Amino acid sequence: GQNIDQPTEMTATEGAIVQINCTYQTSGFNGLFWYQQHAGEAPTFLSYNVLDGLEEKGRFSSFLSRSKGYSYLLLKELQMKDSASYLCAVPLSGNTPLVFGKGTRLSVIA
Amino acid sequence: SQTIHQWPATLVQPVGSPLSLECTVEGTSNPNLYWYRQAAGRGLQLLFYSVGIGQISSEVPQNLSASRPQDRQFILSSKKLLLSDSGFYLCAWRGGVETGELFFGEGSRLTVL
Repeated sequence: GQNIDQPTEMTATEGAIVQINCTYQTSGFNGLFWYQQHAGEAPTFLSYNVLDGLEEKGRFSSFLSRSKGYSYLLLKELQMKDSASYLCAVPLSGNTPLVFGKGTRLSVIA
Repeated sequence: SQTIHQWPATLVQPVGSPLSLECTVEGTSNPNLYWYRQAAGRGLQLLFYSVGIGQISSEVPQNLSASRPQDRQFILSSKKLLLSDSGFYLCAWRGGVETGELFFGEGSRLTVL
């Protein structure tokens, strides 16, 4: 089976850095995804990690440790538009459906 | 380029009424298609997925059903809606040549009264 845990809510200040953690338990590992979802909208893909280490994409970076079943999403130079839910997801196996965590709702304040 | 559309965007239905949500994908063939539901304050729950015409896998027992009558069409249905069916329904296809990420439709917000 699989289990994905993320904090429910976080608050951070505009211009700051925030780290959103995700722990997972899977019977196999086939990559980990991060999605961003603004209120009332569909999720959009942010990043994918399949090997240990840090993947950087502009202001967003994602880290993976397979041995620890742990990932984090790092958002730098926070902007008000970054206020959204951030979803961690893993596939059951291979080319099978993604299972999502409940998401972390990030509020960026001035 | 590939696009995915679903409709209607919003609907309000009485308990016991039928439901039909439609999703179509363009620009790709034989896509893996998915229906997810997001209830208020809860995460994305996988409802159904399909790897081809007429092939449907159900992930949770419920009064919903899915059909795939054509390669790029995926339909979510119910004969009699329950209050607990309210939520945000999302259709998705598995694309991403390198990563296989999901691409979501715009979503359909269902309120059952």
